Amino acid sequence: GAVVSQHPSWVICKSGTSVKIECRSLDFQATTMFWYRQFPKQSLMLMATSNEGSKATYEQGVEKDKFLINHASLTLSTLTVTSAHPEDSSFYICSASYPTDYGYTFGSGTRLTVV
Amino acid sequence: QKEVEQDPGPLSVPEGAIVSLNCTYSNSAFQYFMWYRQYSRKGPELLMYTYSSGNKEDGRFTAQVDKSSKYISLFIRDSQPSDSATYLCAMSRSGAGSYQLTFGKGTKLSVIP
Repeated sequence: GAVVSQHPSWVICKSGTSVKIECRSLDFQATTMFWYRQFPKQSLMLMATSNEGSKATYEQGVEKDKFLINHASLTLSTLTVTSAHPEDSSFYICSASYPTDYGYTFGSGTRLTVV
Repeated sequence: QKEVEQDPGPLSVPEGAIVSLNCTYSNSAFQYFMWYRQYSRKGPELLMYTYSSGNKEDGRFTAQVDKSSKYISLFIRDSQPSDSATYLCAMSRSGAGSYQLTFGKGTKLSVIP
């Protein structure tokens, strides 16, 4: 089945620094990947849709200059949180759809803590 | 009104009980309905996938969709402590491919041995 690998699983960074999160589809090519954010006891909120070879589509209210998404190949999408602040601390999850499957496969998530 | 409503619980049941989890939605364009299970600090994993109205069974899990009432359910029979997790309903207007999912808040379930 489809496997999506996400790294790192957790990261602690200082306020003002940038953090990069990687999402890889291991055994399939993912034309489209999605990035979500999840606060404690809250649902997954879609941040952006990442399309290989083109600019990401951001949801309303998501700062595209702060959350940089790059989908340079069919197996890798990255999310960079630039100039991170404590309010950016959250659980970030990526997902991708296997071409012939239904539903989406999710990465294991990245817990970001900004101190 | 949110597009997808789901009671966050928490829901606590004894081992062996039948669990009923539900979501309501407002967008009649939703055609595909999914249930995900999420363990703490992990990404969601797909449990059940249903297209349009009807029932679907997989082992101890049964998913029901009633599009006329805009209501979906997940039943877990003979619940086990390993079923303790947060269950998220999700839905989309399209199936496999690039269409985005809309999630409920999730219901936290605890199955007590």
